[in-house]
Amino acid sequence: GAGVSQSPSNKVTEKGKDVELRCDPISGHTALYWYRQSLGQGLEFLIYFQGNSAPDKSGLPSDRFSAERTGGSVSTLTIQRTQQEDSAVYLCALTSPTGLAGAFSYNEQFFGPGTRLTVL
Amino acid sequence: GQNIDQPTEMTATEGAIVQINCTYQTSGFNGLFWYQQHAGEAPTFLSYNVLDGLEEKGRFSSFLSRSKGYSYLLLKELQMKDSASYLCAVRDLYNFNKFYFGSGTKLNVKP
Repeated sequence: GAGVSQSPSNKVTEKGKDVELRCDPISGHTALYWYRQSLGQGLEFLIYFQGNSAPDKSGLPSDRFSAERTGGSVSTLTIQRTQQEDSAVYLCALTSPTGLAGAFSYNEQFFGPGTRLTVL
Repeated sequence: GQNIDQPTEMTATEGAIVQINCTYQTSGFNGLFWYQQHAGEAPTFLSYNVLDGLEEKGRFSSFLSRSKGYSYLLLKELQMKDSASYLCAVRDLYNFNKFYFGSGTKLNVKP
């Protein structure tokens, strides 16, 4: 999606290794989200950030998952000791940037292209 | 808890009309969204409903009934490029920044 980049686009790793996924948003948005999408499935909420703080971490599947955001901008999602069930597409999303949604902001999300993670 | 249901897959013919349903049972409701997702791509926003009724946007319309916990996405004059997954998402009443997604409906448009 416009204004949201993610890296890497693809990541293949061995079971037990740590991986770090990155989301680079445009400035001026209100919140940043991480979702996971397994093959043929819907979106599973992981975590969201308001500024640098994460009010809701309830979606993180286990303590192997963590995320941080610095400077109200770039966010990284880290998965430690990866397992095969972690294989999925990890999507980053932003809510409407300030000023672009008009008088009534319904807060739709703009998604990045995702990182496809494969754990062998 | 949150529960959002959509049919897994649907097939329709080019030029026809198709209706994709979404039912939800959530502890709170503050708007319903529809997203389109082509295979291998990120979801893109289609529509938003917060009040009962029909919202029309070109070939796509979305309907909401809050009392029934029900929405549908209506696609008219189907085109081959409409083949995609359609995701229904509900925004939390108490947390404006939290969304719950359904598993999506894969629509196959045939010639």
